Amino acid sequence: EVQLVQSGAEVKKPGESLKISCKASGYNFTSYWIAWVRQMPGKGLEWMGILYPGDSETRYSPAFQGQVTISADKSINTAYLQWSSLKASDTATYYCARPTTYSDYHYWGQGTLVTVSS
Amino acid sequence: SFELTQPPSVSVSPGQTARITCSGDALPKKYAYWYQQKSGQAPVLVIYEDSKRPSGIPERFSGSSSGTMATLTISGAQVEDEADYYCYSTDSSVNNSVFGTGTKVTVL
Repeated sequence: EVQLVQSGAEVKKPGESLKISCKASGYNFTSYWIAWVRQMPGKGLEWMGILYPGDSETRYSPAFQGQVTISADKSINTAYLQWSSLKASDTATYYCARPTTYSDYHYWGQGTLVTVSS
Repeated sequence: SFELTQPPSVSVSPGQTARITCSGDALPKKYAYWYQQKSGQAPVLVIYEDSKRPSGIPERFSGSSSGTMATLTISGAQVEDEADYYCYSTDSSVNNSVFGTGTKVTVL
């Protein structure tokens, strides 16, 4: 059974760094893309970017390029989303999602709520 | 910039047909995908590659695409279909993807 289990909720201050995780199981981690999606409070879904763990190819939405870093550790089947300096506007729920081909996200993590507040 | 536009809301009575549209310039060349998100839950894929239905998704959900518009149809909508629905597609020229603006479907 494919499962994506995300790390727990975080409360951070502006300017702090953060790395959240998405641990995959039930499939060959290096053979499928994995994406990150943002949902700000009360707002819609936003595609942030996608990574192929097999060769680390990463593609970012122009809106998120340079704002976040998507990475993965193949040895522990885990994808990451990180910020070097958080802003209050980064407050949102972040989902990881795995497609079967590229755009068909059949599998989703449970979401990680990130709250950035002074 | 690459955008997908949806109506903010659609309201139907139980048993009626709900149609949700998604408009975007890339749709003539790219597939549309549809995601359902119920309150407080992660999204669920209900239609992929314009009209294919994943296993476990009820037959009342169907999709179509023509020109710059894709449509999700819920035939005989049920109360449990109340949710936000998002279309999704990829840009035809760059490695970018985007979700639509989202449509809140009310069944009452």
